[in-house]
Amino acid sequence: QVQLVQSGAEVKKPGASVTVSCKASGYTFSNYEITWVRQALGQGPEWMGWISTYNGNTRYAQKFQGRVTMTSDTSTSTAYMELGSLRSDDTAVYYCARVVSSSDPSIYYYYMDAWGNGTTVTVSS
Amino acid sequence: DIQMTQSPSSLSASVGDRVTITCQANQDIRKYLNWYQQRPGNAPKLLIYDASTLETGVPSRFSGSGSGTSFSFTISSLQPEDIATYYCQQYDSFPWTFGQGTKVGIK
Repeated sequence: QVQLVQSGAEVKKPGASVTVSCKASGYTFSNYEITWVRQALGQGPEWMGWISTYNGNTRYAQKFQGRVTMTSDTSTSTAYMELGSLRSDDTAVYYCARVVSSSDPSIYYYYMDAWGNGTTVTVSS
Repeated sequence: DIQMTQSPSSLSASVGDRVTITCQANQDIRKYLNWYQQRPGNAPKLLIYDASTLETGVPSRFSGSGSGTSFSFTISSLQPEDIATYYCQQYDSFPWTFGQGTKVGIK
């Protein structure tokens, strides 16, 4: 079955960087994009960006441009999300998710059908 | 960014009741909308994609409809295991955005 297993909780000081990993299993890793979504306590999810695990192309939300880097390693079926210049309002649960999209160019859909277990990142001095 | 507004923000209903949640976009998103269920402490779970297509394995009491700027999500007969927060999410344009959520409880 499809599984995404994320790295453990992190506590960081303001200004530091954090890297979260997401190891995939149960499917061909390079056939699906991986997206990253974060959720602060009591808030709705917030989309951060995605990476094509096929060619490494990325698309980031403007809000995170310059602070986020998404990478992937097909040899280990693992995706990574690094967020730098951390602030207290970056405290959240960070999720990776698999993106399903249509292979038919005349049909347009995207959805996140499998999610990681979440990684809590706490930013505190 | 496209803003998604859900209503109500919370509701309580009895087991067996019909429950409807609405989601409004501040611009036309065609039918490019998904619905997710999130139970406390868990990751979101996909229920409906493309506004009205039920994800494989999801019970048929869940349904979605709408296009353009107005969408709805319905649970035809509320069950105890449906206690969760529900989110709509648009994928018409980047960045993808979510609604603020509707928390569903049992009376």
